[in-house]
Amino acid sequence: EAGVAQSPRYKIIEKRQSVAFWCNPISGHATLYWYQQILGQGPKLLIQFQNNGVVDDSQLPKDRFSAERLKGVDSTLKIQPAKLEDSAVYLCASSPRLAEGDYNEQFFGPGTRLTVL
Amino acid sequence: GQQLNQSPQSMFIQEGEDVSMNCTSSSIFNTWLWYKQDPGEGPVLLIALYKAGELTSNGRLTAQFGITRKDSFLNISASIPSDVGIYFCAGGPEFSGGYNKLIFGAGTRLAVHP
Repeated sequence: EAGVAQSPRYKIIEKRQSVAFWCNPISGHATLYWYQQILGQGPKLLIQFQNNGVVDDSQLPKDRFSAERLKGVDSTLKIQPAKLEDSAVYLCASSPRLAEGDYNEQFFGPGTRLTVL
Repeated sequence: GQQLNQSPQSMFIQEGEDVSMNCTSSSIFNTWLWYKQDPGEGPVLLIALYKAGELTSNGRLTAQFGITRKDSFLNISASIPSDVGIYFCAGGPEFSGGYNKLIFGAGTRLAVHP
């Protein structure tokens, strides 16, 4: 079974530029997550999709970050304009469809390392 | 908001030694998970715990879900060089609307000296 794919693996941009990350989850996984992992910290959830709908974006800085999952499969995360503090690894994860009260393992991709200069 | 306090922040041990790390919170969690992250990779699930008091092993790894539901620990026995990496605890909050939410600790960085 292929894992979660992410691209690019590395990106260097200057502040105020825009950047986009792409994620392809494990086939058949209904739930997709984007996390931000700042150096020395654990992953922090930015946004969660169930199929193509957003179920949690409470920690997404919506003035500059946006994400979409139009067909309920691939997803893109965009930052516009980028700030220095956005330098981090952006991780995508996916999990199977949820049943109420159940918990399913989240499978992570390798991440995209973003450096903002 | 809900936070997890993970300790120690880092450990440097000799090969063959046992390792213990833990995670605590002031909030109750329904699920505790332990992940390992290697450089340049995403976290990989090691052990998942679903009930208070549960003790689960995976090879040389053992983890427990605290009775109060506010803590968990991970033990690694007879460490080997490939145990090097960052270990994260993650908790599934008590009230997450059934949406599989996880909150991560800051990680324990493990170095193993041969």
